[in-house]
Amino acid sequence: KAGVTQTPRYLIKTRGQQVTLSCSPISGHRSVSWYQQTPGQGLQFLFEYFSETQRNKGNFPGRFSGRQFSNSRSEMNVSTLELGDSALYLCASSLAEQGRGSPLHFGNGTRLTVT
Amino acid sequence: AQTVTQSQPEMSVQEAETVTLSCTYDTSESDYYLFWYKQPPSRQMILVIRQEAYKQQNATENRFSVNFQKAAKSFSLKISDSQLGDAAMYFCAYRSEETSGSRLTFGEGTQLTVNP
Repeated sequence: KAGVTQTPRYLIKTRGQQVTLSCSPISGHRSVSWYQQTPGQGLQFLFEYFSETQRNKGNFPGRFSGRQFSNSRSEMNVSTLELGDSALYLCASSLAEQGRGSPLHFGNGTRLTVT
Repeated sequence: AQTVTQSQPEMSVQEAETVTLSCTYDTSESDYYLFWYKQPPSRQMILVIRQEAYKQQNATENRFSVNFQKAAKSFSLKISDSQLGDAAMYFCAYRSEETSGSRLTFGEGTQLTVNP
């Protein structure tokens, strides 16, 4: 089974621009979560989608948004980029129906650099 | 809100030796899971081991085992017979089973170096 696929692997954007990151979960997984990883703040939860609905949201400004499609693929969008948005963005999927303790499976991440 | 703390930013171990990584957490919930993930330079987070709070028996996965002390809110990871491939950043994570969703709260991470 293919793992979680994130595209692109690297992105360089200019302050003020917007960016869209993509995540394809493991086949059959309907839950997709996004995390931001930075040296200063560590790993922080952005949001989670399940069956095209946002189920949880972290403490990030409205510039960060996401969506999930009917095939469970997810995208996250960051508008009006700031230098502080430079980070590794990780996507994770899980088989939520598996029940308690079903683990998250992570992709390799997208490294976003804002200049 | 739950918090997870890893007090050791860096640890090192000799190949074939044993090392223990520490993790403490704070929660008022009784139903939750704890996880250890490793993140090698490839950046992909890989599940190492998980522990259900209701289970008193410590989880074990091959060379990896945990010491789960629920009352003390402590969840340490022991790596036996360390191998060069164990070198990575290790993250402790908490997940509530009392709220819906798969949200993980991570600790700051411990960078493990394995010396040949």
